[in-house]
Amino acid sequence: AQTVTQSQPEMSVQEAETVTLSCTYDTSESDYYLFWYKQPPSRQMILVIRQEAYKQQNATENRFSVNFQKAAKSFSLKISDSQLGDAAMYFCAYRSAWSGGGADGLTFGKGTHLIIQP
Amino acid sequence: GAVVSQHPSRVICKSGTSVKIECRSLDFQATTMFWYRQFPKQSLMLMATSNEGSKATYEQGVEKDKFLINHASLTLSTLTVTSAHPEDSSFYICSARSAGVHYGYTFGSGTRLTVV
Repeated sequence: AQTVTQSQPEMSVQEAETVTLSCTYDTSESDYYLFWYKQPPSRQMILVIRQEAYKQQNATENRFSVNFQKAAKSFSLKISDSQLGDAAMYFCAYRSAWSGGGADGLTFGKGTHLIIQP
Repeated sequence: GAVVSQHPSRVICKSGTSVKIECRSLDFQATTMFWYRQFPKQSLMLMATSNEGSKATYEQGVEKDKFLINHASLTLSTLTVTSAHPEDSSFYICSARSAGVHYGYTFGSGTRLTVV
């Protein structure tokens, strides 16, 4: 079974600064998808960014970018120019490339609570 | 964008009763629905996966007789917590995906269940 580890229960950053959230995972599969989700106090899960394992290029979405190190099984999220609205729980998630039998459900890490200091 | 409407957002029920949670995909066909459970300040744990018209696949340790999942149409899936007990109190979230969309998951807004 796959596992996702987020070793930072809480992170704090000054507004406009850059912060990096770490995520490592364990899998024996060679093809999979990785995600970062944001969960604000409303509890609505919001997709931040996703990465296909077969793509070497790191995904980028505006102020959000990832550092995907497949050999190290690491998938960190960098948030540049942090804004107050970025404050939330951030979850790293893994999905097998295989489909069916529940294999395409997401496995989540325990989350990192990101605090933005004004 | 794709929207999944989940109801109710909050429910309080008495121990021993059953509660039904609905998730509807409003502008797309949800061929697959995932149900997650989230304990306070913890991660989301996948409970089960259902494909439209077929039986749900439950994760290890999830009681299929307690958590009944129905996915009878491409726009509606329900989770019924039967004979609820206080330990079933939790936050339940559904997530829908369309056929052929390998990594596009749309989440509902969640249901906070409190069993008293």
